[in-house]
Amino acid sequence: DVKVTQSSRYLVKRTGEKVFLECVQDMDHENMFWYRQDPGLGLRLIYFSYDVKMKEKGDIPEGYSVSREKKERFSLILESASTNQTSMYLCASSFPVSGTSSGNTIYFGEGSWLTVV
Amino acid sequence: KNEVEQSPQNLTAQEGEFITINCSYSVGISALHWLQQHPGGGIVSLFMLSSGKKKHGRLIATINIQEKHSSLHITASHPRDSAVYICAAIYYNQGGKLIFGQGTELSVKP
Repeated sequence: DVKVTQSSRYLVKRTGEKVFLECVQDMDHENMFWYRQDPGLGLRLIYFSYDVKMKEKGDIPEGYSVSREKKERFSLILESASTNQTSMYLCASSFPVSGTSSGNTIYFGEGSWLTVV
Repeated sequence: KNEVEQSPQNLTAQEGEFITINCSYSVGISALHWLQQHPGGGIVSLFMLSSGKKKHGRLIATINIQEKHSSLHITASHPRDSAVYICAAIYYNQGGKLIFGQGTELSVKP
């Protein structure tokens, strides 16, 4: 059974703390994504990665950074958490668009609910 | 601009009803996903399609490339179908990123 696992389901952090959200996939996917989801704003892409050590900014990268040192792991880092980063964070992975395995579908983690106080 | 428009935003149905959720997009997609999100956060891809029609159980997804339109149908709806349904397009010029619709919150009453 394919799986995208996010390390923390619920977190509460203080303003200014450094926060790490970890995501691991077991499908050998090249593509990995970090989204945040907020009421009324839907899903917004923060960063994505096409391959190890590759990263590209999404629509809302400010205040975030990412790390992809191994193919299966994509980490989202909040260098100095702020209250406006309170949100639900979703990780996802997929094969490249041109890939053929698994019908190119995308798999999501269960989400990480982050509260910054 | 690559856009995905979804309708309706909210939908309430009685158990057993046939449900349709619509999605329109601009030119240049390579594929379109229909996603389901239950309360609690997790999202599941129901279908990915680039042409024609796909069926899985009571769910049917269609896409009309000429009309730039896709629909998700649920036959014989059930309260467990209550969820948010999201269409998401992959555009050729976006390198595999998904462009999401606003989502449709479906509630099926017994």
